[in-house]
Amino acid sequence: DTGVSQDPRHKITKRGQNVTFRCDPISEHNRLYWYRQTLGQGPEFLTYFQNEAQLEKSRLLSNRFSAERPKGSFSTLEIQRTEQGDSAMYLCASSPRQGGNTEAFFGQGTRLTVV
Amino acid sequence: DAKTTQPPSMDCAEGRAANLPCNHSTISGNEYVYWYRQIHSQGPQYIIHGLKNNETNEMASLIITEDRKSSTLILPHATLRDTAVYYCIVRAVGAGNMLTFGGGTRLMVKP
Repeated sequence: DTGVSQDPRHKITKRGQNVTFRCDPISEHNRLYWYRQTLGQGPEFLTYFQNEAQLEKSRLLSNRFSAERPKGSFSTLEIQRTEQGDSAMYLCASSPRQGGNTEAFFGQGTRLTVV
Repeated sequence: DAKTTQPPSMDCAEGRAANLPCNHSTISGNEYVYWYRQIHSQGPQYIIHGLKNNETNEMASLIITEDRKSSTLILPHATLRDTAVYYCIVRAVGAGNMLTFGGGTRLMVKP
């Protein structure tokens, strides 16, 4: 297993364009998280899936943001009509099982720059 | 989840122990203390977690005070590769289990 994989690693887009990021979690991990991190700050929680169900969304997730995990495996995060304030590192994490107290495994992130 | 307070930065000499403190005075009985670190341009990496007993693994030791209001992460022999931002996080076992990151401590290991 190669860990959590995110694609692309870097994305530069013009303001107003739509972008989509992909996250492949570790196999068999049923929990998947998206976080956003701006320069000099810690990561901020965006949303969380258990299998294919999106169970929690942060208020940070405006209506321009949508996330899916259609078959309970990989996930996509789409940002519509990007704004300069969306420039950040987008991190995906997965964890292995329900309940309990398990650590999250993070991917390398997708760095988005909106120009 | 309870809030945590960490010093913004610390230095440590290579080969020496790095002791990173964290205050979590409002921690409740079902909340664990987690430590993650983030090396530049990488995603956060889990280090260790504990409830009330001290814990040790191959990366670090976690010392939690008896009243659980503070903890210390110990890297016994810091190397240059341990230079990173270290996050102390208090988290309850619950439905979401998302992590709430603060500002962390930027540890600089110097030769």
